[in-house]
Amino acid sequence: NAGVTQTPKFRVLKTGQSMTLLCAQDMNHEYMYWYRQDPGMGLRLIHYSVGEGTTAKGEVPDGYNVSRLKKQNFLLGLESAAPSQTSVYFCASNPDGSLAYGYTFGSGTRLTVV
Amino acid sequence: RKEVEQDPGPFNVPEGATVAFNCTYSNSASQSFFWYRQDCRKEPKLLMSVYSSGNEDGRFTAQLNRASQYISLLIRDSKLSDSATYLCVVNPRMKTSYDKVIFGPGTSLSVIP
Repeated sequence: NAGVTQTPKFRVLKTGQSMTLLCAQDMNHEYMYWYRQDPGMGLRLIHYSVGEGTTAKGEVPDGYNVSRLKKQNFLLGLESAAPSQTSVYFCASNPDGSLAYGYTFGSGTRLTVV
Repeated sequence: RKEVEQDPGPFNVPEGATVAFNCTYSNSASQSFFWYRQDCRKEPKLLMSVYSSGNEDGRFTAQLNRASQYISLLIRDSKLSDSATYLCVVNPRMKTSYDKVIFGPGTSLSVIP
């Protein structure tokens, strides 16, 4: 049972380059999320999805886009990377949004923008 | 004042010690609370929920103090494997608000032999 899988695990980008982070879950969860984690700060929500074909903005959506064409996949795109986007990105999923179940997180993507 | 605050630590404690962390929250209407554990360079994982009456899971005890707006996590008989960062998570609304959940910055614990 893989749970939540993120690819890639590491990436270095030059300013202005674009990339897509892939998140895949095999638990049939409806809700999926993208968070970023920076030193000294809590995880901050970038975008989220409550089901296939839906997406919504979180707390820090600027500079990112997302898509959820299939229930099991949630993609995070950076159109023109900036040094401020250097961070650790976590994807998470949850069966129905109920916090009692907790979030299942992927292992993270460490992104450096130079 | 930040919405959720935690003492970043690090807390360095010897094996077998008892250690407690607090997490304060600013929104008095907050309804549900959780503790997550995050190992170094790993993803966060749910440790336990925090109930109004307090709850215990083995060596771990979580409590809620609504009057003073904080939650606490007590770890008894610390093990080397307890070394991690402990994240406080707060849902600030009556209903589940998956887009408004707040993660604290975490408290780092290091258990030393």
